[in-house]
Amino acid sequence: NAGVTQTPKFQVLKTGQSMTLQCAQDMNHNSMYWYRQDPGMGLRLIYYSASEGTTDKGEVPNGYNVSRLNKREFSLRLESAAPSQTSVYFCASTLDYSNQPQHFGDGTRLSIL
Amino acid sequence: GESVGLHLPTLSVQEGDNSIINCAYSNSASDYFIWYKQESGKGPQFIIDIRSNMDKRQGQRVTVLLNKTVKHLSLQIAATQPGDSAVYFCAENMGNTGKLIFGQGTTLQVKP
Repeated sequence: NAGVTQTPKFQVLKTGQSMTLQCAQDMNHNSMYWYRQDPGMGLRLIYYSASEGTTDKGEVPNGYNVSRLNKREFSLRLESAAPSQTSVYFCASTLDYSNQPQHFGDGTRLSIL
Repeated sequence: GESVGLHLPTLSVQEGDNSIINCAYSNSASDYFIWYKQESGKGPQFIIDIRSNMDKRQGQRVTVLLNKTVKHLSLQIAATQPGDSAVYFCAENMGNTGKLIFGQGTTLQVKP
């Protein structure tokens, strides 16, 4: 079982460059999420998609955009990367957001110089 | 604002002992709580969950207790093993959106 797959696993960018992080799930889940995790901290929600065709802002959406391409795929885009966006990014999905746990990928480690 | 916090950043226990990791939450409207385990270089892994209409739930070697009166959540791990060494996060579900609010995490160190 692949579960939640994130690509790439590592990336280094220069300030001002753009990049899209990819996420795909094979569990037929309805809801998908993007989080960031900074050193020594918990995860903070960037954007989420409660169902195919919808997206909403989370706690820290500034500097990011998302696309729910289809039921399986949810991408996160950095239009103009900044050093403050250096972080580990996690994608998650769940079948039913009200009473089912979210399942996470293994993250994309992003450094912005 | 609303937050979920953990009382201790690091917990060190002897192999074979029981571990208790605590969590305080502040949103009385939260109705679903989850414990995750995160190993180095990996994403959070689901351990156990509990809904607000329950006080206790047991899994394999793990028990979650929920005290809504004082807004407190705990994770108990029985017979702690070296493989249990990781960072543990509690998370609360903010109602009908599926938004999870995570605590900062407790590092569990298991001494052989």
